[in-house]
Amino acid sequence: EVQLVESGGGLVQPGGSLRLSCAASGFTFSGYWMTWVRQAPGKGLEWVANIKNDGSEQNYVDSVKGRFTISRDNAKNSVFLQMTGLRVEDTALYYCARATNADYWGQGTPVTVSS
Amino acid sequence: QSVLTQPPSASGTPGQTVTISCSGSNSNIGSNNVYWYQHLPGTAPKFLIYPNSPRPSGVPDRFSASKSGTSAALAISGLRSEDEADYYCAAWDDSLRGFVFGSGTKVTVL
Repeated sequence: EVQLVESGGGLVQPGGSLRLSCAASGFTFSGYWMTWVRQAPGKGLEWVANIKNDGSEQNYVDSVKGRFTISRDNAKNSVFLQMTGLRVEDTALYYCARATNADYWGQGTPVTVSS
Repeated sequence: QSVLTQPPSASGTPGQTVTISCSGSNSNIGSNNVYWYQHLPGTAPKFLIYPNSPRPSGVPDRFSASKSGTSAALAISGLRSEDEADYYCAAWDDSLRGFVFGSGTKVTVL
């Protein structure tokens, strides 16, 4: 059974940093791209970033370029989202998902950016 | 403002068919697969379907998807109360080099 478990969310002040983690199991992790998607309160889903199987390629939505970094550790079946320069508008529930088309999702980890 | 346009809401009575549209452009729907997701409040989004592909295990055959040009649609036939949810379309956008979601459609079963 595919399982994705996010962690690392929390409350942070504007300008601060957080590192989200996603632990994967139930599939061959190194065979898949991985994706982060977020949902701000009362808003729809927004794709944030994805990373290729071997970590050699990453893509980001324009609003996080230069501030967020996606990475992965295939030995630990984990994908990460390093978030710096956080803004109030980054407040959201952050989901980890498998593959470029997000065919399996975790339950999400909440990030609140507020002073 | 979402790159993919969906109606904000749709509704129907039990047993009816509800169709949700998704309008995009040549750089996304026009040249890539369109995916559909179901999102019930408080739960993880669920991948439903994309055109001309087998439904994932557990997805009822009441859900079907289609695409024509730069538009796509999700049809829910035999509407049931458990189908009340938010539905999103999504596609890779070659110009943006990113995956774009539609604005979402809230389906209500009357």
